[in-house]
Amino acid sequence: GAVVSQHPSRVICKSGTSVKIECRSLDFQATTMFWYRQFPKQSLMLMATSNEGSKATYEQGVEKDKFLINHASLTLSTLTVTSAHPEDSSFYICSARDPGPTQYFGPGTRLTVL
Amino acid sequence: DQQVKQNSPSLSVQEGRISILNCDYTNSMFDYFLWYKKYPAEGPTFLISISSIKDKNEDGRFTVFLNKSAKHLSLHIVPSQPGDSAVYFCAASDSGSARQLTFGSGTQLTVLP
Repeated sequence: GAVVSQHPSRVICKSGTSVKIECRSLDFQATTMFWYRQFPKQSLMLMATSNEGSKATYEQGVEKDKFLINHASLTLSTLTVTSAHPEDSSFYICSARDPGPTQYFGPGTRLTVL
Repeated sequence: DQQVKQNSPSLSVQEGRISILNCDYTNSMFDYFLWYKKYPAEGPTFLISISSIKDKNEDGRFTVFLNKSAKHLSLHIVPSQPGDSAVYFCAASDSGSARQLTFGSGTQLTVLP
């Protein structure tokens, strides 16, 4: 199946710093990528939809100035958590959609903000 | 309002037997359905999908059935193996350009040896 990678897998940062998470589709081109956040014992919460070469579409309640998304190529999207705070600590997962309707997910990034 | 529901939070099955995971949806615009398997601290792994023009799709031990009139789909795993123990999410999408997924809340499957 299609492979999506994420880097880093874990990151610990101090409050007030920014963290960048990369999401790559390794063996297919993804015009659309998605960023999710998972809270403990809950399903995935869609944060934003990212289309190559255009601005991301954010879900209601997600601060676009805090969660910066860039989708500069057909295989790479980045999520930057700016001025991170402890409440931003979470498990962030990206996915990439193949030319069809199936989304393939990355392994996730555990962010801990001290 | 949950558009995709998995009413069983957990299911235990004996190894070698059939596991049946159920999912209901309310949005008649959904035309594509997927099942994912997820381990803790990992991203979901795609298992199998089905288009609304079909009522069955099979891939190895996994079969997905779709009953459009009842807005119900199910995932059958035969035979179940201990390695199948995980949380299973069903998801649905409509024909919108982004093809966003709407997830169910998941079912924890435990396959007992």
